Amino acid sequence: DIQMTQSPSSLSASIGDRVTISCRASQNIRSFLNWYQQKPGKAPKLLIYTASSLQTGVPSRFSGSGSGTDFTLTISSLQPEDFATYYCQQSYSTPPYTFGQGTKLEIK
Amino acid sequence: EVQLLESGGGLVQPGGSLRLSCAASGFTFSNSVMSWVRQAPGKGLEWVSSISGGGDTAYYADSVKGRFTISRDNSKNMVFLQMNSLRAEDTAVYYCAKWALLSLAFDIWGQGKMITVSS
Repeated sequence: DIQMTQSPSSLSASIGDRVTISCRASQNIRSFLNWYQQKPGKAPKLLIYTASSLQTGVPSRFSGSGSGTDFTLTISSLQPEDFATYYCQQSYSTPPYTFGQGTKLEIK
Repeated sequence: EVQLLESGGGLVQPGGSLRLSCAASGFTFSNSVMSWVRQAPGKGLEWVSSISGGGDTAYYADSVKGRFTISRDNSKNMVFLQMNSLRAEDTAVYYCAKWALLSLAFDIWGQGKMITVSS
């Protein structure tokens, strides 16, 4: 199975900061990589699909990049509502569709 | 409105059984791959199972294979997860999720149902 590794596991940042979260796949997954945001007690929300496509309704301060094995989620200017946990997930080929372990973004 | 609504969670003893249901609305259900994703307390997301739109193909995580069965009733816009031989490590919030074939991602999620396996 394809393993997904996110870094860092947690980070602290301030309002207005630019933040990047990394995700590495254990094998080449081309651009089949998605990013989700989850707030406490809530279901995950799709932000980015196929590495760089912004889901409808998601603010443009969120962006994704990468292909192959290395991917990045960038938040250009942190807003108060962005403090949450972020997960990457690969959708290459058939299931299992594995998730990264998550990155918790906290207020500094 | 596009919506997924789970039901059927609760407390069950180790070795017991439980069935989760998910009612879908607001999209063409019979064309949609449906899945279950779970999250143990304080842990990350784990894909559990998926079923094709017609119900003829199903996939399972190794951790639940042989114990869980996914099914669907397209006439009622519902998907189910029958969970047998439950273990403490199955304790989690279970989310029903729609797989978007164009974006190859889970684009719609239910609110989640807590399953606790404990004596």
